[in-house]
Amino acid sequence: DAGVIQSPRHEVTEMGQEVTLRCKPISGHNSLFWYRQTMMRGLELLIYFNNNVPIDDSGMPEDRFSAKMPNASFSTLKIQPSEPRDSAVYFCASSFNRAGTDTQYFGPGTRLTVL
Amino acid sequence: DQQVKQNSPSLSVQEGRISILNCDYTNSMFDYFLWYKKYPAEGPTFLISISSIKDKNEDGRFTVFLNKSAKHLSLHIVPSQPGDSAVYFCAAKGSSNFNKFYFGSGTKLNVKP
Repeated sequence: DAGVIQSPRHEVTEMGQEVTLRCKPISGHNSLFWYRQTMMRGLELLIYFNNNVPIDDSGMPEDRFSAKMPNASFSTLKIQPSEPRDSAVYFCASSFNRAGTDTQYFGPGTRLTVL
Repeated sequence: DQQVKQNSPSLSVQEGRISILNCDYTNSMFDYFLWYKKYPAEGPTFLISISSIKDKNEDGRFTVFLNKSAKHLSLHIVPSQPGDSAVYFCAAKGSSNFNKFYFGSGTKLNVKP
């Protein structure tokens, strides 16, 4: 299995631009999570989906952030407009939701720099 | 408000000695706990877990201890090896919410040769 795939691995953009991060979860997994890692707050959960449906988006910092999961094999996280404080590493993770104890598998992350 | 806290941002240990990483949580509804390890430029990878019905789980050099009354868990690595140098994240979840994990801020472990 290829694991969770994220693209791009690195993104450098200017303030005000739209940024789209992409994720392909592990085949067969039915839960998908978007996290943001910063020095101050560690790993923050932004949003998660179960069976392609958003379950909890309470971690999305502002309306500038949006996420979609149009099918079981693809998800996007969009920031529009981007700001320098959005600079962080963004991780996507997937799991098979089963009896509430299964682990999450993380992608390699996208390092976003907003100038 | 962080429900899972790792109060030590870094830890340095000599090779061969024991590494002890600590984690505290506030939510008494958490019943499953995990440790993840993260190397630079990679995503976190699962290391070891423990259910609240246990107070210890061991996997090779790694042992996780859970003290429910103190809402505290710890990860012991014995003996520590230079390849263990990484950031370790503690995570916790309740039983009913679609695998929603709450992560700590991480502890960077440096094992010196």
